[in-house]
Amino acid sequence: AQSVTQLDSQVPVFEEAPVELRCNYSSSVSVYLFWYVQYPNQGLQLLLKYLSGSTLVKGINGFEAEFNKSQTSFHLRKPSVHISDTAEYFCAVTPSGGYQKVTFGTGTKLQVIP
Amino acid sequence: DAGVTQSPTHLIKTRGQQVTLRCSPKSGHDTVSWYQQALGQGPQFIFQYYEEEERQRGNFPDRFSGHQFPNYSSELNVNALLLGDSALYLCASSQLQGSGNTIYFGEGSWLTVV
Repeated sequence: AQSVTQLDSQVPVFEEAPVELRCNYSSSVSVYLFWYVQYPNQGLQLLLKYLSGSTLVKGINGFEAEFNKSQTSFHLRKPSVHISDTAEYFCAVTPSGGYQKVTFGTGTKLQVIP
Repeated sequence: DAGVTQSPTHLIKTRGQQVTLRCSPKSGHDTVSWYQQALGQGPQFIFQYYEEEERQRGNFPDRFSGHQFPNYSSELNVNALLLGDSALYLCASSQLQGSGNTIYFGEGSWLTVV
């Protein structure tokens, strides 16, 4: 079984400042890792994914994440946030083989302050 | 190329009633999963369908059932609705044997039980 821990439930940050949203996972098997964004009253949009290879993955809207296997982490970063980044962000994992049950974290609400 | 489409987008039901939610997967995808997202929480896995069979199931009671049709579309049925079933129901599709195993989500169906 897999589990995901998002350490911060809310992260306030000023516009144009950098931000890091933290995610740790636990799994006894190899996993794929994802970050999804959810804007108010909307579904989930894929920001980026790690499947294999380079541990630094780049996604949409200027976001990137780094996979750290030894620390079982997959933190999301953006060097300069915009008001439009205000949303809830979910870290998620799924086993790398077979049927793809996705396990989500509890989410981090990013509030960008003008 | 249409993504994952869900219907209806919003509905209100009375406690004890039954509800059916529908999902059409992204073109080329053969696997459909359903998730429940209660207010302020991350999505929780309900079950997954592949080749018209339920392949995996999360910790949900038998009141939750589903079906996948030959065209890969799917339905989620919930019987004997409880107030606690009020949530956003998300459908996700993917290609089981495809590279990347990217999972795409629909906009969801908002269910309110009164």
